[in-house]
Amino acid sequence: LAKTTQPISMDSYEGQEVNITCSHNNIATNDYITWYQQFPSQGPRFIIQGYKTKVTNEVASLFIPADRKSSTLSLPRVSLSDTAVYYCLVEYSSASKIIFGSGTRLSIRP
Amino acid sequence: GAVVSQHPSRVICKSGTSVKIECRSLDFQATTMFWYRQFPKQSLMLMATSNEGSKATYEQGVEKDKFLINHASLTLSTLTVTSAHPEDSSFYICSAREGLAEITDTQYFGPGTRLTVL
Repeated sequence: LAKTTQPISMDSYEGQEVNITCSHNNIATNDYITWYQQFPSQGPRFIIQGYKTKVTNEVASLFIPADRKSSTLSLPRVSLSDTAVYYCLVEYSSASKIIFGSGTRLSIRP
Repeated sequence: GAVVSQHPSRVICKSGTSVKIECRSLDFQATTMFWYRQFPKQSLMLMATSNEGSKATYEQGVEKDKFLINHASLTLSTLTVTSAHPEDSSFYICSAREGLAEITDTQYFGPGTRLTVL
């Protein structure tokens, strides 16, 4: 059964590095992992996408272990404006399913 | 690049009426568009997938006669909620994907439409 699981919430402080993990046990060889940020009453905003090992862009890094059953979104030096809900998305090709994780509500404090 | 718009951003209607929501890809051609529904404090749930020029594929439990989807061009998809009822009140979000490389192409999301049915 294709399932995408995340922690419900996380708290951190400005300037810290935040790591959010997503579990996707039934991911197939060709399935990509994508992370989005969502603010209230807005559509999700693309952060990063990866397939294996490590991907880095100007806002985040994505770490994917060899078994690909999980992935970790890393936000360096967060600020108050990073307070949002973060979703991982996996398109499970074997099941023809697109499944968002339950979302992780990240709260950043001064 | 990769901008997706939705219209309207917010709509309030009476029970029994129909509401049409438009989703446009502004700077790319979208061979595939997706429609999601999001209830308060919940994740996004896929309702249907539409490919330009063909019938939409609906997820299990989504009534195709109630949620009519038309993907008439590579830049426009519409969702019509027919005979809306209060339980249809939700945040509807579309996404669009460019190109035919379905495995790797990213979904880019619209800003969402808040539907309230009285």
